[in-house]
Amino acid sequence: GQQLNQSPQSMFIQEGEDVSMNCTSSSIFNTWLWYKQDPGEGPVLLIALYKAGELTSNGRLTAQFGITRKDSFLNISASIPSDVGIYFCAGGTTSGTYKYIFGTGTRLKVLA
Amino acid sequence: GAVVSQHPSRVICKSGTSVKIECRSLDFQATTMFWYRQFPKQSLMLMATSNEGSKATYEQGVEKDKFLINHASLTLSTLTVTSAHPEDSSFYICSGTVQETQYFGPGTRLLVL
Repeated sequence: GQQLNQSPQSMFIQEGEDVSMNCTSSSIFNTWLWYKQDPGEGPVLLIALYKAGELTSNGRLTAQFGITRKDSFLNISASIPSDVGIYFCAGGTTSGTYKYIFGTGTRLKVLA
Repeated sequence: GAVVSQHPSRVICKSGTSVKIECRSLDFQATTMFWYRQFPKQSLMLMATSNEGSKATYEQGVEKDKFLINHASLTLSTLTVTSAHPEDSSFYICSGTVQETQYFGPGTRLLVL
């Protein structure tokens, strides 16, 4: 199945550091969503983006919908241990039925 | 956000048996639900789109006769893994959409022995 390119694949950071990850595609999307998934659980929505160029924050998280509609990034500021997990981007497209394509994931580990 | 539940949360079955997984939207009506499969350390792969009152739409490579989907009401979709085999062992996750945003259930871990 189709997947979006997400980078980095994994990263170790020190507590308090800022984190940046991005998602790129060769296709245009109408929406971008960012999720966090903890082991054995379903993904939890972090931020939803609906418009090209849109910049949206949710607490320490900030995400942007790329102007070309082919990419998006997520920043986490002042990381804390509970930020550990896997982060997925998802691009939404309408081709008959609205559906999302997921990124390959970024595994984040925070060192206290 | 919208709430989606799944039942069971985990199931172990013998090879050759069938397993049914339920996905419910608890506080919204979902004309469309999605079923994903996730293998260890991998991303979510869309299996099929479940449409209330009509046939599901399956992604390329997903066997519709093996993964039966029924969406009989606006709050319930079911996925039945028929004649399960060990290679079907995976984490199955469903989602519903509210205003172009997908909300996921907690997932069902299937282990086929």
